[in-house]
Amino acid sequence: DAGVTQSPTHLIKTRGQQVTLRCSPKSGHDTVSWYQQALGQGPQFIFQYYEEEERQRGNFPDRFSGHQFPNYSSELNVNALLLGDSALYLCASSTFTFGLAWAQYFGPGTRLTVT
Amino acid sequence: DQQVKQNSPSLSVQEGRISILNCDYTNSMFDYFLWYKKYPAEGPTFLISISSIKDKNEDGRFTVFLNKSAKHLSLHIVPSQPGDSAVYFCAASAGNKLVFGAGTILRVKS
Repeated sequence: DAGVTQSPTHLIKTRGQQVTLRCSPKSGHDTVSWYQQALGQGPQFIFQYYEEEERQRGNFPDRFSGHQFPNYSSELNVNALLLGDSALYLCASSTFTFGLAWAQYFGPGTRLTVT
Repeated sequence: DQQVKQNSPSLSVQEGRISILNCDYTNSMFDYFLWYKKYPAEGPTFLISISSIKDKNEDGRFTVFLNKSAKHLSLHIVPSQPGDSAVYFCAASAGNKLVFGAGTILRVKS
């Protein structure tokens, strides 16, 4: 049973560029959440997708956008990259069924470095 | 506003002894609490959770205690093993999103 997978593992971008990160949820899960983890801090919630719609959003600017596909996989897009966007980006999956969207399982993350 | 706080940045424990990791929260609307373990270069691994209507949940060596009046929860690991050395995050669920503390580094010495 494959867990949550994310690609790429590492990414280096220049300020002002755009980036797309990808996530495949754990088998049987239909909900994907994205988090940003800066060095020395806990993960911060960006947004959550269920049924291809953004259901909840954290305190992140509109430069952060996402998408969920019919197979439940998801993308996180960040436009006009800033140095401060350098972080580990984590994807977590869960299931809305039985009210278990809170029981989230994380992928290994994508390390984004903005220079 | 930091709704979930882990006030101890690090903890060092001897192998075989008990490790106690603490977490405080401010939002009384949190409905579930979770503990995750994180190794370097890996994503957080789910350890154990507790509903806000319970005060204790146990899974093998791991026990989580919830004190709602004090808005405090703790994770007990007994006995501690060197493989438990990692960063431990406390998280709380608010409307299906998770709010995390800053983490506590646990070092178990053999």
